[in-house]
Amino acid sequence: AQRVTQPEKLLSVFKGAPVELKCNYSYSGSPELFWYVQYSRQRLQLLLRHISRESIKGFTADLNKGETSFHLKKPFAQEEDSAMYYCALSTVTGGGNKLTFGTGTQLKVEL
Amino acid sequence: DTGVSQDPRHKITKRGQNVTFRCDPISEHNRLYWYRQTLGQGPEFLTYFQNEAQLEKSRLLSDRFSAERPKGSFSTLEIQRTEQGDSAMYLCASRPLGGTEAFFGQGTRLTVV
Repeated sequence: AQRVTQPEKLLSVFKGAPVELKCNYSYSGSPELFWYVQYSRQRLQLLLRHISRESIKGFTADLNKGETSFHLKKPFAQEEDSAMYYCALSTVTGGGNKLTFGTGTQLKVEL
Repeated sequence: DTGVSQDPRHKITKRGQNVTFRCDPISEHNRLYWYRQTLGQGPEFLTYFQNEAQLEKSRLLSDRFSAERPKGSFSTLEIQRTEQGDSAMYLCASRPLGGTEAFFGQGTRLTVV
């Protein structure tokens, strides 16, 4: 069965410091991974997906199949990055795709 | 707001009562999902619709839970004989055919007292 692990419930960094939110997955198939973010009082929204290899709001994430990891990184944290971050694994279900989420990491950027 | 809409946003009910939630997906998104999120956890998959067909149900979805999506548009999730353990945030998401991004609603927070 698939599983996503986010070991840190809370990560506190100072503004301007580098950020790394850890995510490890377990899946026997070919993984499709995402990072979703939830800002205060807002809905869950997609931040980035591994297949796009894109940088969104300065964040990047590289899929490492050898280490089964998909860590989220940003070189310089900004106050507006404070939010809840969820790593998610997409797997095929009934002809569609469902997401398996980690437990989330609360990022707090302090001034 | 043209995103996924959920109603009500909050629901407080007494144990043993039935509750029904509604989700209106983004127009023309043929895929609709229900997830449940409890405190300190990430969302957990409950069920999935492609158009009006319910194609998968999680084992989390006990016999007290039923979901429908008549005509492939809005969806309802009903919980019968609610229990305190049903207290959670119920999230709806939709995706277009061929799309990889799931668009989430703001959720319905259920409290069973």
